[in-house]
Amino acid sequence: GAGVSQTPSNKVTEKGKYVELRCDPISGHTALYWYRQSLGQGPEFLIYFQGTGAADDSGLPNDRFFAVRPEGSVSTLKIQRTERGDSAVYLCASSLSGTRGDEQFFGPGTRLTVL
Amino acid sequence: QKEVEQDPGPLSVPEGAIVSLNCTYSNSAFQYFMWYRQYSRKGPELLMYTYSSGNKEDGRFTAQVDKSSKYISLFIRDSQPSDSATYLCAGYGGSQGNLIFGKGTKLSVKP
Repeated sequence: GAGVSQTPSNKVTEKGKYVELRCDPISGHTALYWYRQSLGQGPEFLIYFQGTGAADDSGLPNDRFFAVRPEGSVSTLKIQRTERGDSAVYLCASSLSGTRGDEQFFGPGTRLTVL
Repeated sequence: QKEVEQDPGPLSVPEGAIVSLNCTYSNSAFQYFMWYRQYSRKGPELLMYTYSSGNKEDGRFTAQVDKSSKYISLFIRDSQPSDSATYLCAGYGGSQGNLIFGKGTKLSVKP
């Protein structure tokens, strides 16, 4: 069956611009996670959705980052006034129920480059 | 100190070697531990999953957790060139199940 998909696969933008990154989780998965992976680092947690609501957004670095999941499936990560330091791979993961120990399935990521 | 520490390598071994990958963690609340494998320009995929202390074996892979020393290990027997990837250890942090990852160890298995 289909896994987690993310679009676009690559995004190049200029400093100060606004970007949107999209995640399509596995059908039926209620939990959705966004992580950010910088070069040479492991993924770092950004935000977790349970259904339509953000259950934990403690990993968002500042108020330029925002994410939504209006219908409980597709999610969009939005970054305003991008900075060069935002350049990274943004990974989305989904799991069946979001309980601790639930397997998280990752998408291929969106590689964001801010010039 | 990061919650999960992992030597980034790189680690290069000949085909057929036994590989040992290790992590330490600081959060005593961690109970679930994962090893993910990540190929270049791909998302991480789950390799092994253990709960609390003990060993778990799956084919050529063995995961070990020692909660007394906060040490996590992954052993790969009879390593293959197709095992060349970055290996990420992770524990579950927070109340809602987000993963806390180490930096990852880049492994190269030479034919």
